[in-house]
Amino acid sequence: EVQLVESGGGLVQPGGSLRLSCAASGFTFSGSEMNWVRQTPGKGLEWVSYIDHSSSIMHYADSVKGRFTISRDNAKNSLYLQMNSLRAEDTAVYYCARETGTKDYFDFWGQGTLVTVSS
Amino acid sequence: DMQMTQSPSSLSASVGDSVTITCRASQNIYNFLNWYQQRPGKAPNLLIYAASSLQSGVPSRFSGSASGTDFTLTISSLQPEDFATYYCQQTYYIRRIFGQGTKLEIK
Repeated sequence: EVQLVESGGGLVQPGGSLRLSCAASGFTFSGSEMNWVRQTPGKGLEWVSYIDHSSSIMHYADSVKGRFTISRDNAKNSLYLQMNSLRAEDTAVYYCARETGTKDYFDFWGQGTLVTVSS
Repeated sequence: DMQMTQSPSSLSASVGDSVTITCRASQNIYNFLNWYQQRPGKAPNLLIYAASSLQSGVPSRFSGSASGTDFTLTISSLQPEDFATYYCQQTYYIRRIFGQGTKLEIK
């Protein structure tokens, strides 16, 4: 059974940092492209970042570029999101999601972890 | 800038009805278009990929179609568990943009 389990969310002050983790199991993580997607409470979905299977290619939404860094450790079946210079508008539930297929769809999602940026 | 325009933003319908949700891409996305369902407090769930392919395990009352840069999700014979929020997403361009969402409510 495919499982994605996020952790690391919490309350952080504006300007602070947080590192999210996503533990993967039930599939070949080292062969999978991964993404982070966030959702502001009561709002829609916003794609945040992408990483290919070998960490050769990373992409970011303009809203987080230069502040967030996506990474992975295939030996640990884990995906990460390092978030620096956090702002109130980064408050959201953060999901990790596996991307697959020739047309690149997100077929498995974690349950999400809440990040709250507030003083 | 690539944009996905989803409509309507909300929709009321009754059990047994058929509904259609539309998503328009601002540029050609070559059918790299996916649809997700999200129930309150839950993660999104993939329904349709590549514009018209039904994800494994998804009921056949869900269907997707494409015409150029216009995409539709149709739900026939609505069931109580279908009342949720639906999102389209393009994955042709690097930024995997989602539509604004359509909240489907019980009339």
